[in-house]
Amino acid sequence: QVQIQQWGAGLLKPSETLSLTCAADGGSFVAYYWSWIRQSPVKGLEWIAEINDIGNTDYNPSLKSRVTISIDTSKKQFSLKLTSVTAADTAVYYCARGRNACTNGMCYFDYWGQGTLTTVSS
Amino acid sequence: DIQMTQSPSSLSASVGDRVTITCRASQGISSYLNWYQQKPGKAPKLLIYAASSLQSGVPSRFRGSGSGREFTLTISSVQSEDFATYYCQQSYSSPGTFGPGTRVDIK
Repeated sequence: QVQIQQWGAGLLKPSETLSLTCAADGGSFVAYYWSWIRQSPVKGLEWIAEINDIGNTDYNPSLKSRVTISIDTSKKQFSLKLTSVTAADTAVYYCARGRNACTNGMCYFDYWGQGTLTTVSS
Repeated sequence: DIQMTQSPSSLSASVGDRVTITCRASQGISSYLNWYQQKPGKAPKLLIYAASSLQSGVPSRFRGSGSGREFTLTISSVQSEDFATYYCQQSYSSPGTFGPGTRVDIK
């Protein structure tokens, strides 16, 4: 059974950088994609970015200029950085196993972290 | 981006009722459609993938159907633990986008 734990700052000021990390335990870490997804009352669920064990990445174009996703396979961890945050970035951020989209196999998010509420406020 | 819509936005049901939720995509997505269940304060849980495949451990009262632009999630006999919000998500093209959700609560 895969378990994903996530952590990171919960309160940020405008213009700061959001930084979150997830660690996966149980099951294989390699040969999978790992994603970040956020949820807010305004935008609902929004996929942010994904990465696989060899560093292939994909980003939501709406956030691409401000987002970096990285991975440390030795620690079974992956991380998200979102720069220049504003109040619009206030959301619950989730990490999850899976790809947001593909046509050479079925893609879905089958294991999720517990979520981290990140609030941006001055 | 592919836009996903869901109907209804909310519904009330009694235990034992049959519940049907519809998801529509702004363009054809073949069978690249997933369904998730979310309870308050919890992460979404995968129920159905590829439009009709039941995720391991999910009760058989959940059924997904459809292809192209229109999809349905049916709960054949809703149980108390099924009261939650349900989301569809297309995985046909990046960015994978989610529907706005359908809240199912107790009548």
